Amino acid sequence: EAEVAQSPRYKITEKSQAVAFWCDPISGHATLYWYRQILGQGPELLVQFQDESVVDDSQLPKDRFSAERLKGVDSTLKIQPAELGDSAMYLCASSNRQGAGGYTFGSGTRLTVV
Amino acid sequence: AQTVTQSQPEMSVQEAETVTLSCTYDTSESDYYLFWYKQPPSRQMILVIRQEAYKQQNATENRFSVNFQKAAKSFSLKISDSQLGDAAMYFCAYRSANSGYALNFGKGTSLLVTP
Repeated sequence: EAEVAQSPRYKITEKSQAVAFWCDPISGHATLYWYRQILGQGPELLVQFQDESVVDDSQLPKDRFSAERLKGVDSTLKIQPAELGDSAMYLCASSNRQGAGGYTFGSGTRLTVV
Repeated sequence: AQTVTQSQPEMSVQEAETVTLSCTYDTSESDYYLFWYKQPPSRQMILVIRQEAYKQQNATENRFSVNFQKAAKSFSLKISDSQLGDAAMYFCAYRSANSGYALNFGKGTSLLVTP
């Protein structure tokens, strides 16, 4: 069964350092989502791509977060500089256009900022 | 913006019993989808069941069924014959064209299943 691949699985970084997460969606899925999930809460959308274009990044803290999906396939989410409050699970998901065929989630990257 | 509210942070059920998880949502749209997702500890989010708003019939998937009350904006999940493997966080989610087809999640309900 096809999966959304995410790496690394776990990341510990010191505050003020840079950190990056990678996501490879289901082949053929045009839409890619990055979510942040604080422990014990529901995922919150950070950024949504349609192919290589950003559809929604209204909740992305743009002073420190950036995301790209240069060729419309895999994607990278970066945080620079990391802050203690960024500790969370970062989930990637993908779907076809409009999500009609369902959404597939990756296993996530758990970030701990110390 | 649409909001999804899950008012039960934690629920507990005995094995083989039935439990209902609550979800309410706020929207002015008429065309949308609602979902229940399950997230086991340290594992990925998986779809339990989904409901199209235009369908009056409640969705069912084996032991899982929903009670969709569109006028009341309520979407509860009933788990029958609960099993130990049902223990997980359960998230209610909403999706519509106005949300860019992204899932908008509630805060979740932690379900404990006791033997």
